[in-house]
Amino acid sequence: EIVLTQSPGTLSLSPGERATLSCRASQSVASNYLAWYQQKPGQAPRLLIYAASTRATGIPDRFSGSGSGTDFTLTISRLEPDDFAVYHCQQYTSSPHTFGQGTKVEIK
Amino acid sequence: EVQLVESGGGLVQPGRSLRLSCAASGFIFDDYAMHWVRQAPGKGLAWVSSISWDSGIIDYADSVKGRFTISRDNAKNSLYLQMNNLRPEDTALYFCTKTTAYYSGMDVWGQGTTVIVSS
Repeated sequence: EIVLTQSPGTLSLSPGERATLSCRASQSVASNYLAWYQQKPGQAPRLLIYAASTRATGIPDRFSGSGSGTDFTLTISRLEPDDFAVYHCQQYTSSPHTFGQGTKVEIK
Repeated sequence: EVQLVESGGGLVQPGRSLRLSCAASGFIFDDYAMHWVRQAPGKGLAWVSSISWDSGIIDYADSVKGRFTISRDNAKNSLYLQMNNLRPEDTALYFCTKTTAYYSGMDVWGQGTTVIVSS
């Protein structure tokens, strides 16, 4: 089983700042089959990034994904008020299709 | 509009069974793999099970293997999760999700149905 560890657990930033979220895998994620999701309170998650770096339909370009192998990053270039939420990474290269524990991006 | 609507959740005693359903609309259901993901109160997301478009590939998390069964009826545009021998740790919000391929990001999510396992 591939274990995903997200860091930090909480990120306190101000609107306009840059957010850098990490997702580290316990073993290589083949084909960079890694996705990022955004989840707001009381809502279902929303797909942001798949295949490590491809933005999903309708996702603003301030969201970008990078990385390969075992180290992946989600970057939000300039935080907008709507971006404060919990972010989850998920690998889908092998079963079980594990998720990380999540990173909360909160307003400082 | 692409939509997934879950139903069938509720309060159930440990050891009992429950069947979740997910009604799909707005897309060609039998073109896509489908999945169940759950979220325990205050916790992160946990993948539960996946099924390919033709039911030829099925996977389960170890925590539910042997107790849960995923299935689909393409004629009814519906996904199911039969949950037997429920445990308190199965208490969660259960999401139905869709991917463009079996191995892909989950691009559509339902709003979830809540399962509470308690005596």
